[in-house]
Amino acid sequence: EPEVTQTPSHQVTQMGQEVILRCVPISNHLYFYWYRQILGQKVEFLVSFYNNEISEKSEIFDDQFSVERPDGSNFTLKIRSTKLEDSAMYFCASSDEWKPEGGQYFGPGTRLTVT
Amino acid sequence: KQEVTQIPAALSVPEGENLVLNCSFTDSAIYNLQWFRQDPGKGLTSLLLIQSSQREQTSGRLNASLDKSSGRSTLYIAASQPGDSATYLCAGGGFSGGYNKLIFGAGTRLAVHP
Repeated sequence: EPEVTQTPSHQVTQMGQEVILRCVPISNHLYFYWYRQILGQKVEFLVSFYNNEISEKSEIFDDQFSVERPDGSNFTLKIRSTKLEDSAMYFCASSDEWKPEGGQYFGPGTRLTVT
Repeated sequence: KQEVTQIPAALSVPEGENLVLNCSFTDSAIYNLQWFRQDPGKGLTSLLLIQSSQREQTSGRLNASLDKSSGRSTLYIAASQPGDSATYLCAGGGFSGGYNKLIFGAGTRLAVHP
């Protein structure tokens, strides 16, 4: 069964450093998403992406964040200058354009620790 | 602003019990409702998806229902087992003002003891 994959599984970085989290969505999906979950809190929407542009973003997704689909398979989330409060589990998800009611498929997550 | 609430926050039951987990949402213009399982420190495993035109979905010992008019969904777990111990999250999608995102509840932390 096709699945969403994410790398790395765990990333440790120092405050102020740039990080790039990588995701490979399901191959025939065209909508892509990033969510995050701070330890002990709800899963929160960050951004959705379609047709090489952001279709929606949350208040969390400020100028320090960016997303990109650099090639036909990868979808990345970049944090330019990490802060302690960026420490969280980051989930990538994808969905099928033609079946939006088909739900979103989530990857296993990348645990980001900012020290 | 759309809110998704899950009750109870935690539940501890003996093995074999039938359980009902509740999820409520404030905006009835929902497109779909997904139930997920999350083990400690792990990712999200999709359990069931109910589209807005459906009223329920079943998978094995799990049954999920959706009542848009009352803003509620329930997840029924039959004959619970220790392996069912996890956090169960519900998430609604396609609310007015936010088509392309899921809004998550805080989850119900379930412990099934032998």
